[in-house]
Amino acid sequence: AQTVTQSQPEMSVQEAETVTLSCTYDTSENNYYLFWYKQPPSRQMILVIRQEAYKQQNATENRFSVNFQKAAKSFSLKISDSQLGDTAMYFCAFRGSGNTGKLIFGQGTTLQVKP
Amino acid sequence: ETGVTQTPRHLVMGMTNKKSLKCEQHLGHNAMYWYKQSAKKPLELMFVYNFKEQTENNSVPSRFSPECPNSSHLFLHLHTLQPEDSALYLCASSQGLSRERSGELFFGEGSRLTVL
Repeated sequence: AQTVTQSQPEMSVQEAETVTLSCTYDTSENNYYLFWYKQPPSRQMILVIRQEAYKQQNATENRFSVNFQKAAKSFSLKISDSQLGDTAMYFCAFRGSGNTGKLIFGQGTTLQVKP
Repeated sequence: ETGVTQTPRHLVMGMTNKKSLKCEQHLGHNAMYWYKQSAKKPLELMFVYNFKEQTENNSVPSRFSPECPNSSHLFLHLHTLQPEDSALYLCASSQGLSRERSGELFFGEGSRLTVL
């Protein structure tokens, strides 16, 4: 069975600094997608960034980038120049094969950006 | 109108009550989802609908009954719930069920359910 693990329940970072959130996953598939979602307090969860497994280049979206290590099954999220609005819970998610639309989420990491 | 709207935002019910959660999406998507979010646990997929047809039932107890009358609306009917069913119930939609499309979910703000 596919699993997603986020080993850091809580993290904090000073404003303007860089922080990295960890995610590992387990799968026997070769072609899949990985995602990071952000859930601000009492607000909607939104997609931050995604990575296609067959692409070697790490995805980047403005201040957000990933370090995708396929062999190690690792998919970490780096947030540069952290802002107060980055305070949220972050979820890593895996989408494998199949036509049912099933997305597997990790337990989440609560990130606090301090002024 | 936000993309995905859920009502009610908060619901308190007794174990013998019957209530419903409603979700509406204004994005023209074909697929809709119910997720359960409990504290300190990963999001749990409950149901998936694609073009009104159910494609996934993740072993959800029958006290949760989904209904999808069209691609824009999704309901979760609740009856004889247990206190452990208290959680945030999230609705989401996507353009389709391909690996790429179904990973890009658009979520509502959730319905916070408390079962007494």
